[in-house]
Amino acid sequence: KNQVEQSPQSLIILEGKNCTLQCNYTVSPFSNLRWYKQDTGRGPVSLTIMTFSENTKSNGRYTATLDADTKQSSLHITASQLSDSASYICVVSPTGTASKLTFGTGTRLQVTL
Amino acid sequence: DGGITQSPKYLFRKEGQNVTLSCEQNLNHDAMYWYRQDPGQGLRLIYYSQIVNDFQKGDIAEGYSVSREKKESFPLTVTSAQKNPTAFYLCASSLQGVGEKLFFGSGTQLSVL
Repeated sequence: KNQVEQSPQSLIILEGKNCTLQCNYTVSPFSNLRWYKQDTGRGPVSLTIMTFSENTKSNGRYTATLDADTKQSSLHITASQLSDSASYICVVSPTGTASKLTFGTGTRLQVTL
Repeated sequence: DGGITQSPKYLFRKEGQNVTLSCEQNLNHDAMYWYRQDPGQGLRLIYYSQIVNDFQKGDIAEGYSVSREKKESFPLTVTSAQKNPTAFYLCASSLQGVGEKLFFGSGTQLSVL
């Protein structure tokens, strides 16, 4: 069964600090992996996408890594801001089509003063 | 201003009642999707449509129905057969093709009275 597991489940950090969120997957075959950011009560917004051949992708203060051999990905947030408070969802696609996605349960990040 | 609009933001259903959630997009996307989000769970696919007048069941279609009469619109009806309808419902759209990104609406929170 295809699964995506994220850790930690929740995280609290001080503004300005860095953090790393983890995603482990057992999805096979593998086409791509996306990280989404979801603000409370809103829809998710895509941050990055990585295919099998990519191991790092950046989007501003967000840097995603992918190790396709160990089936692990991470999302690193640098110099966190209050606006980074949200859930971060890892989504894996086995075929490349959006109708066959496996979603993780997300990591809830809270950035405090 | 392009995007996906879901309405209403909050909806209450009485026992035995059918309710319809609206989803409209002006992104000219062919594919549209409905997801259900429950606390502590990943998004689950209810129905999707890749072209007008055609739609496919997702992983949890029982108790739901959809229509796709126009490219821009993909309403979801939660029928009385859905015994546990309380959830956050997300509509999304995408361009067809490998690596397609989902664009989400702001969601509808459905609760049972």
